[in-house]
Amino acid sequence: GQNIDQPTEMTATEGAIVQINCTYQTSGFNGLFWYQQHAGEAPTFLSYNVLDGLEEKGRFSSFLSRSKGYSYLLLKELQMKDSASYLCAVRDGDFNKFYFGSGTKLNVKP
Amino acid sequence: SAVISQKPSRDICQRGTSLTIQCQVDSQVTMMFWYRQQPGQSLTLIATANQGSEATYESGFVIDKFPISRPNLTFSTLTVSNMSPEDSSIYLCSVELADTYEQYFGPGTRLTVT
Repeated sequence: GQNIDQPTEMTATEGAIVQINCTYQTSGFNGLFWYQQHAGEAPTFLSYNVLDGLEEKGRFSSFLSRSKGYSYLLLKELQMKDSASYLCAVRDGDFNKFYFGSGTKLNVKP
Repeated sequence: SAVISQKPSRDICQRGTSLTIQCQVDSQVTMMFWYRQQPGQSLTLIATANQGSEATYESGFVIDKFPISRPNLTFSTLTVSNMSPEDSSIYLCSVELADTYEQYFGPGTRLTVT
């Protein structure tokens, strides 16, 4: 089965850095993905990690440790438009499916 | 990336009726999925839409309630049958791009059952 945990809600200040953690327990792991979802909109793909280490994409970075079942999404130079829910998802390679965590609602304050 | 459209974008339906949601992709994809997202919740996988064979349903979802068609590599439908207010939700289709495992979502169908 799949068990994916992430904090429910976080608050950070514009211009700051925030780290959103995700822990998972899964069989057949084949990648960890991060999605951003603004209220009322569909999720949009941010990044994914298949191997251990850090992947950087502009203001967004994602880290993975497969041995620890742990990932984080790092957002730098926060902007008001970054206020959204951030979803951690694990791809199960045995069944070619994605399983999503409950999402972390990020509130960015001025 | 892939461009995905869904129809209808929203609907209000009476209990006991059925609604069919269409998902169209602008390129051929192998993997297509249907999700449900209830207000304030994350995404729950309903089923994997398989081209040329029956869909693969997740625990808690059955074909009689959520029949799925996948006639080709660019199109799928999900029907929500014999609806009740508990079926009020956003239904999203998604596709996975080969070689990258990246998944892209359609805009969603917001369903309200009265």
